[in-house]
Amino acid sequence: QKEVEQDPGPLSVPEGAIVSLNCTYSNSAFQYFMWYRQYSRKGPELLMYTYSSGNKEDGRFTAQVDKSSKYISLFIRDSQPSDSATYLCAMRRDNYGQNFVFGPGTRLSVLP
Amino acid sequence: GAVVSQHPSRVICKSGTSVKIECRSLDFQATTMFWYRQFPKQSLMLMATSNEGSKATYEQGVEKDKFLINHASLTLSTLTVTSAHPEDSSFYICSARDGAGGRYGYTFGSGTRLTVV
Repeated sequence: QKEVEQDPGPLSVPEGAIVSLNCTYSNSAFQYFMWYRQYSRKGPELLMYTYSSGNKEDGRFTAQVDKSSKYISLFIRDSQPSDSATYLCAMRRDNYGQNFVFGPGTRLSVLP
Repeated sequence: GAVVSQHPSRVICKSGTSVKIECRSLDFQATTMFWYRQFPKQSLMLMATSNEGSKATYEQGVEKDKFLINHASLTLSTLTVTSAHPEDSSFYICSARDGAGGRYGYTFGSGTRLTVV
């Protein structure tokens, strides 16, 4: 079993739709959870950063962490064509350690 | 916010030659930088951790003599792909922990697409 699993997509939605992206993980030691957006041929860009369980909202983006289920989600409201990218979840055990694991990424296309 | 600059963005080289990729933290000091490799439609795979003033730490399976890492200053790390072969063609990305790493995570460079012909 991979340490972090994520549906690779591609996921196509119409403009304005609510998008739900998810990752599951197997290591209960992970405490810090991140979502990155990566446009084609570019480096990843940090979108959301959460610690432990709970919700965090930033504009159109909401990140949810359920440590009991080892499941994290990213919701995008009122999706725009500019949201079309690959979304990577990432997680690590401690604040400064090198134990930083990425999911494989989900490709999202928002159609105008 | 923290900015990491990576150059070149794209390079094509002949098989057997060496290529150097630079990663600079522009507005913060990075004692630690990370080098990743990404194949098409796959996630980032950590290759090595670059520590300023000391030897890099390589992940299992990564040849340290092939992928030379130098982190000579607090703002610059370089990755040199020596004697490149077509199978080394990939997207290489660096990242650095910014000053408040715990708060903002890691900042990534824009990546370097290496094509070995």
